[in-house]
Amino acid sequence: AQSVTQLDSQVPVFEEAPVELRCNYSSSVSVYLFWYVQYPNQGLQLLLKYLSGSTLVKGINGFEAEFNKSQTSFHLRKPSVHISDTAEYFCAVSDPGNQFYFGTGTSLTVIP
Amino acid sequence: DVKVTQSSRYLVKRTGEKVFLECVQDMDHENMFWYRQDPGLGLRLIYFSYDVKMKEKGDIPEGYSVSREKKERFSLILESASTNQTSMYLCASSSRGRGSFGETQYFGPGTRLLVL
Repeated sequence: AQSVTQLDSQVPVFEEAPVELRCNYSSSVSVYLFWYVQYPNQGLQLLLKYLSGSTLVKGINGFEAEFNKSQTSFHLRKPSVHISDTAEYFCAVSDPGNQFYFGTGTSLTVIP
Repeated sequence: DVKVTQSSRYLVKRTGEKVFLECVQDMDHENMFWYRQDPGLGLRLIYFSYDVKMKEKGDIPEGYSVSREKKERFSLILESASTNQTSMYLCASSSRGRGSFGETQYFGPGTRLLVL
């Protein structure tokens, strides 16, 4: 079975500072990796995904993530955050059965 | 753009009522999913469907049932609502049938259900 761990439930950061949201996964099979963002009172929106190829993946809104197979991690980063980045962020893996397994989420709060 | 719509944004129901949550997608996706989202627990899969009239249990199917009579529509049914089913319900869809993976799931805006 697959599992996803997001170690930080809440991350406060000042505006224009860099941020890293951590995600680790465990799986006995090959998986694909995703980051989703959920703005208040909305559904989830895809930020980026890793399927294969370059381990550094760029997504929307200036976010990027790096796949590290040896550490089974897929951390999300942004060099300079904005107030509008305040949201809940979910890491997920997709297995060969096309099921998704989500982490418990990280609430990012950008402080003016 | 893929569009996934859910019939209600907010619902208030009483204990014991039968509740229907409807989800419609407009991209001819084969796969559809129902999740519930609770603080600190993330998203948990209730049921999913790979095709019309097909359904499979997810991680927490107890107290729920589903119906998929048409490809674009996937309904979640609470046979007898209970207070512990107060939650945010999210519908999602993705393309391709069973056996492939890596397909993005597209989410609706969610239905926040309060059971009194």
